[in-house]
Amino acid sequence: DTAVSQTPKYLVTQMGNDKSIKCEQNLGHDTMYWYKQDSKKFLKIMFSYNNKELIINETVPNRFSPKSPDKAHLNLHINSLELGDSAVYFCASSHQRDNEQFFGPGTRLTVL
Amino acid sequence: AQRVTQPEKLLSVFKGAPVELKCNYSYSGSPELFWYVQYSRQRLQLLLRHISRESIKGFTADLNKGETSFHLKKPFAQEEDSAMYYCALLNAGGTSYGKLTFGQGTILTVHP
Repeated sequence: DTAVSQTPKYLVTQMGNDKSIKCEQNLGHDTMYWYKQDSKKFLKIMFSYNNKELIINETVPNRFSPKSPDKAHLNLHINSLELGDSAVYFCASSHQRDNEQFFGPGTRLTVL
Repeated sequence: AQRVTQPEKLLSVFKGAPVELKCNYSYSGSPELFWYVQYSRQRLQLLLRHISRESIKGFTADLNKGETSFHLKKPFAQEEDSAMYYCALLNAGGTSYGKLTFGQGTILTVHP
């Protein structure tokens, strides 16, 4: 009965590889987000989609490309992975009017 | 630009003692503020938001616009309160609608 789910939970990969993280929410929300939590536990928004439309795009390298096939899904694809991409990535969703954001469990990405 | 500051990275108290986690913000509009909590091995979840003026798990937070603060308080800390606490400011308008800016986080440890 998970509200916001992410796969995989852990991802270990080599520099230069391309990888994707998937996010799904079953709350009927219309807005979804990706956050990055660095090694110092600092949380920063990367992207936000509302009704499949990109509405927030922070200063993130072009190697990161979000894709929203429908309102319930927001996937994150990362090209040419670098050591500095190692972090925990959190997906979240909200109803636009309510604005409380519900978070997924996180995906711990380690780039070797 | 909006900014949230949590000056204490670590905070330790004994069970039964009062606790206050500090949060200061900088925002040109009318602020909407939240406290999120992340217990060990769990996802980030909303603790409270200032517009609801609720007390959750004995915690309260009052928005002080004069001091631009939203400190989180609890009169008697419990061991189960040990967690990472994030203060967050919502951008409620314009092109960054829905953007949550997080503080650096405060790790609260309640000793028996």
